[in-house]
Amino acid sequence: DAGVIQSPRHEVTEMGQEVTLRCKPISGHNSLFWYRQTMMRGLELLIYFNNNVPIDDSGMPEDRFSAKMPNASFSTLKIQPSEPRDSAVYFCASSWTNNGLVLSGNTIYFGEGSWLTVV
Amino acid sequence: GQQLNQSPQSMFIQEGEDVSMNCTSSSIFNTWLWYKQDPGEGPVLLIALYKAGELTSNGRLTAQFGITRKDSFLNISASIPSDVGIYFCAGHSSGTYKYIFGTGTRLKVLA
Repeated sequence: DAGVIQSPRHEVTEMGQEVTLRCKPISGHNSLFWYRQTMMRGLELLIYFNNNVPIDDSGMPEDRFSAKMPNASFSTLKIQPSEPRDSAVYFCASSWTNNGLVLSGNTIYFGEGSWLTVV
Repeated sequence: GQQLNQSPQSMFIQEGEDVSMNCTSSSIFNTWLWYKQDPGEGPVLLIALYKAGELTSNGRLTAQFGITRKDSFLNISASIPSDVGIYFCAGHSSGTYKYIFGTGTRLKVLA
């Protein structure tokens, strides 16, 4: 089975440019998460969706960040305008949950990440 | 918010040695997960634990769900150079959607 698929794997962009990161979750999963990883702060949850609906976006740093999930098989994380401090690895992850109830198999699977450098 | 304390933060060991690391939480979890992240890659799930006291193995890796449900342990036996990487724990509580991640244990194996 295909895992979580992210694109692009690497992106270098100039400050002020728009960046769009893409994610295809594992088929059948109904929860999707965007994380940011830096050396200083580790893994930070930015936003999560359940059944394509944003449930918690409290981790989104500021209005420059936005995320959408138009359908069960696709999500985007957009940064506009990008800044050097946005340089990080952005991970998409997916899981299956039943209204938050823990069931056997409730694990979260990560994509390989999008390495973003803003210069 | 909930936090996970993962220790040690980093460790250097000799090839062939056993490794132990742990995570502790300020609150109860129903699921504990252990991941490994290789350089330039995403975290890969190693072991999932769903019941207090549960002991689960995956090859040379063994993880345990603490009976208090506030801690978990990961042991690696007879380490090899490819065990190098960052190991993360993660906890999940019933009734929530969030997975809380530890800060990671960076493992380096000296051949």
